[in-house]
Amino acid sequence: AQSVAQPEDQVNVAEGNPLTVKCTYSVSGNPYLFWYVQYPNRGLQFLLKYITGDNLVKGSYGFEAEFNKSQTSFHLKKPSALVSDSALYFCAVRDINAGNMLTFGGGTRLMVKP
Amino acid sequence: NAGVMQNPRHLVRRRGQEARLRCSPMKGHSHVYWYRQLPEEGLKFMVYLQKENIIDESGMPKERFSAEFPKEGPSILRIQQVVRGDSAAYFCASSPVVVEAFFGQGTRLTVV
Repeated sequence: AQSVAQPEDQVNVAEGNPLTVKCTYSVSGNPYLFWYVQYPNRGLQFLLKYITGDNLVKGSYGFEAEFNKSQTSFHLKKPSALVSDSALYFCAVRDINAGNMLTFGGGTRLMVKP
Repeated sequence: NAGVMQNPRHLVRRRGQEARLRCSPMKGHSHVYWYRQLPEEGLKFMVYLQKENIIDESGMPKERFSAEFPKEGPSILRIQQVVRGDSAAYFCASSPVVVEAFFGQGTRLTVV
């Protein structure tokens, strides 16, 4: 069965500093990987995806993520955090060889302090 | 192309009543997922449907909960005889095959 782990419940960063939100996954086949962001009382917004190709993918709002097959990781990064980036971030994986299920990690709360 | 539409946005039900949550996927999307989110918690998968078929309902409670995605019309998540523990935000997502899923704004169910 596929699974996603986000080992940190919360990440605290000072504004202007780089941020990393960690994600590791487990699938039987080739993964399709996604990051979503959720602001308070809102639905999830798609940030970026990895399907194939370059391991570094760029997404919305200056975020990027690096796919590392050997470490089965897909960490979310941003070079310079903004206070407005404070939100809940979810990593997700889809294994098209396993029924096309979309599985989410438990979420990481990002707090960016001025 | 409108996004994923969920209604109602807020739903209050008394214990023992039925709750019906609707999800209209984006145009052209034939896959629908339902998730439940408790306050300050992550998303818990409930059910994955394609048109007229339930693909995976491993996250659905065995009793009181059901879901459908008919050939015409929205997907419906139905909760019978609601209890206080059913209070949560319920999110629907839709996708075409193999690309990202798009989420609705959710339905916040409160059982009083």
